[in-house]
Formats: sequence, C-alpha cells, structure tokens
Amino acid sequence: EIVLTQSPGTLSLSPGERATLSCRASQSVSSSSSLAWYQQKPGQAPRLLIYDASSRATGIPDRFSGSGSGTDFTLTISRLEPEDFALYYCQQYGSSPRTFGQGTKVEIK
Amino acid sequence: QVQLVESGGGVVQPGRSLRLSCAASGFTFSSYGMHWVRQALGKGLEWVAVVSNDGSNKFYADSVKGRFTVSRDNSKNTLYLQMNSLRAEDTAVYYCARDSRGYTYIFDHWGQGNLVTVSS
Repeated sequence: EIVLTQSPGTLSLSPGERATLSCRASQSVSSSSSLAWYQQKPGQAPRLLIYDASSRATGIPDRFSGSGSGTDFTLTISRLEPEDFALYYCQQYGSSPRTFGQGTKVEIK
Repeated sequence: QVQLVESGGGVVQPGRSLRLSCAASGFTFSSYGMHWVRQALGKGLEWVAVVSNDGSNKFYADSVKGRFTVSRDNSKNTLYLQMNSLRAEDTAVYYCARDSRGYTYIFDHWGQGNLVTVSS
C-alpha cells in the first residue's frame, strides 16, 4: 500500500500569501502522475481541485496549481483568498489500494 | 448540474445491517463508475467501494470486503451500499462520488455525505 504523507500538518498564512503544500509517497505513484488534490471545508464534502498531478478540475481558479511526479508532489495556491482556508488532501489512484494523505490544514494567521 | 443525494444513514447496533442510497441527477448516470468513500469523524478519507458504469465490475477495500455490497440501478439513477455485520469502526460519514472517467478513481463530484453510527 502506498502511504501518502502530507506536510506540514497545519499552515498558518494570511490572505494574499502563497501556500505550498507537500505530498510525499512511500513509493513511486504508478504512471508517475496519478495524483489528485481535494479541498474540504467543515461540514462539506471534498471538492476535486487537481488531477493527474497538474490538471485543474473544471471550474477551479488558476491560482491553484499542482506539480510533481514519482514520489513528490506539490499543491500551490498562488495568492490565498478567504475561501481557500480549508483542509487539503492528496490522493493517489495509480496503485491499489487507492489511498489518501492525512491532510494539511490551511488556517488564517 | 450534477447532484448526488445520499440517504439511509442513521444509528445501528453492531452486527446489524444498513443500506445507503445515492440518487444521481444532472448527468448520464449509466456512463460513469460510482464510488463510496467514507470519513470517520475528524479523520481522513478512506475509499470503500466502486461499481462500474454497467454494474458488472465491483471492487472493495479490504476493510469492508465480504461485509459490504455495492450495486446500482441505472433505470433509477441510484447507487446503493448494503452494509452487513457492521462494526464500531464503520462509524463514519459515507459519501457517494462520481468517477471522472470510466473508473479511474478520480472523484469529480461528491454527495453531501450521510452519517452512519454503529453503537449499542
């Protein structure tokens, strides 16, 4: 099973700042880029942001970008908007069982 | 727009059964694989099960294999999760989710979630 480790656990930033979230896989993700990012707000379902490591899902603002391959992946939010403060999960879907990271919380500083 | 509405959750005793439903609208249901994903309160996400668009292929997480059964009725645009022999560790919010294409395990639309509590 591929274990995804997200860091940091919590990121304290101000609106307008840049957020960089990391997701590291315990072994290479099959096809190198089978990784997605989701955003979840309290009491809500997750929302797909990024798939195939760097492709934005429909309707996702271009301040969200993904990068990486193999075992190291990054989600970047170029300028934080108030609605971006939330929990973020990475997920690999290249190998069975498909697994999620434990999440990074982006909170207002 | 795509809508997924779960129902059927609640409180159930250990060892008993429960069936969740997920009513889909706003897209051609029979063209998409569908998943169940769960989240224990305050915890992370865990994929539970998938069914292919025509219902012919089904896969499960090891934690629920042999106890849970996923199915679908394309004539009713509805996804189901039959949960038997429930355990305390099955307590979670259960989400149905659409696969973005075929069954890639990319979840592009999610229901609002339905809480299942297993407790005596």
